[in-house]
This record gives sequence, C-alpha cells and structure tokens, in this order.
Amino acid sequence: QKEVEQNSGPLSVPEGAIASLNCTYSDRGSQSFFWYRQYSGKSPELIMFIYSNGDKEDGRFTAQLNKASQYVSLLIRDSQPSDSATYLCAVRGNKLTFGGGTRVLVKP
Amino acid sequence: DTAVSQTPKYLVTQMGNDKSIKCEQNLGHDTMYWYKQDSKKFLKIMFSYNNKELIINETVPNRFSPKSPDKAHLNLHINSLELGDSAVYFCASSQYEGGGPLHFGNGTRLTVT
Repeated sequence: QKEVEQNSGPLSVPEGAIASLNCTYSDRGSQSFFWYRQYSGKSPELIMFIYSNGDKEDGRFTAQLNKASQYVSLLIRDSQPSDSATYLCAVRGNKLTFGGGTRVLVKP
Repeated sequence: DTAVSQTPKYLVTQMGNDKSIKCEQNLGHDTMYWYKQDSKKFLKIMFSYNNKELIINETVPNRFSPKSPDKAHLNLHINSLELGDSAVYFCASSQYEGGGPLHFGNGTRLTVT
C-alpha cells in the first residue's frame, strides 16, 4: 500500500463546475496536509494546507480533512481552464510524502 | 527575487559522467530538501538537511551526495550517471524541520544518454 494515494485521473470537468479530488494516507500520526498544483513543466506550488479536521476555504478552493477516515480532499469551485493541472496531495508525518497526483482537465 | 533557485535548469549528459546541481534559498528557512520526480510525476524525497545537518537520507544510491555549506545552500553531486537517473530534480525549503509547507525551486531536468 502506498503511503499517500490519489486517483491519477484525468478528471475531466466542464468549465464552471466543481472539481472534487481525493487523497488517502496510511500514517495515522500525520499532522499536516497540503495540496500543491503543478502545471506541466513547472514546479509544484502550494495552494492549500490544512491541519485540523473539517473544512478550510480559500477563494475557490476548499480543503476537507477527516483524520479518522484518513482522507483529505480538495474542491475547486467554478473551475476554469487555467485550473487544468496536476494536483498533488502531500502528507507530513515524520517527513513530507507526496501522492502521485491527479490530473485535472477543465474543458471550456 | 527568486525564493528558491536552482541551477542548471537543464542538464544533458552521457552515462558515466559526474554532474552537480546547485540550490540556494533566500527565505531564511532552516530546512532544505532534494526531491526527484520521475516520468510518472511521482515526487520522492531524497535528502533533507536542517541547518546544514543531514536529517533524511532515503534509500538513494551512494552515487548521490548532497552537500550543505550553509543553511541557505544545498547542492547535489551525482557520480557515474546512469540512464535511470534521468528525471526532474527539485530543491525545496521549509521554515523548519517537520513543519510548514515546502517552497520549491524551478527544477533541473536531467537527461542521461
């Protein structure tokens, strides 16, 4: 079992719709959780972090954390073509471990 | 100003050669990292340094040797390059060990022929 798992996609979303991305992790002691966006040929850039159970909203992005079920999700509202990228989930236990990423395609 | 900068951006070399990648951060962070991203886009940690001290050394071949002359710099030297070393190598930093998000450099695309 991989430490951090994501569906590789691609997740195809119509423009204006909500994109929902999921991530599960195996280390119950994990304390902090991050979502990064990576455009093709570019470096990962941080878009959200969450430390506590529940929801955290930042603009069109909402991160949701459920430690009991060991999953973290990212919602992108009003998806735009510029949101087309690979989204990486990262989980910090004793080190920061990345999932394989979910490729999102937003179609106009 | 670039927060985390690494050079070179592209590196094309032949098998058996030795090469180095340099990284510098001006964020005042204590911890620096090297990550490798393979063709399947999977990011895997290689090394972590906290204030010049090696913290994490994953199962990386001995051909890879990191060096941190000070907490703002972390270089990666690779000996006897192999085809399987072809990947994008990212340098990153975080404010302190075990905390905070990572800030990535722009990556070095290494191609071994």
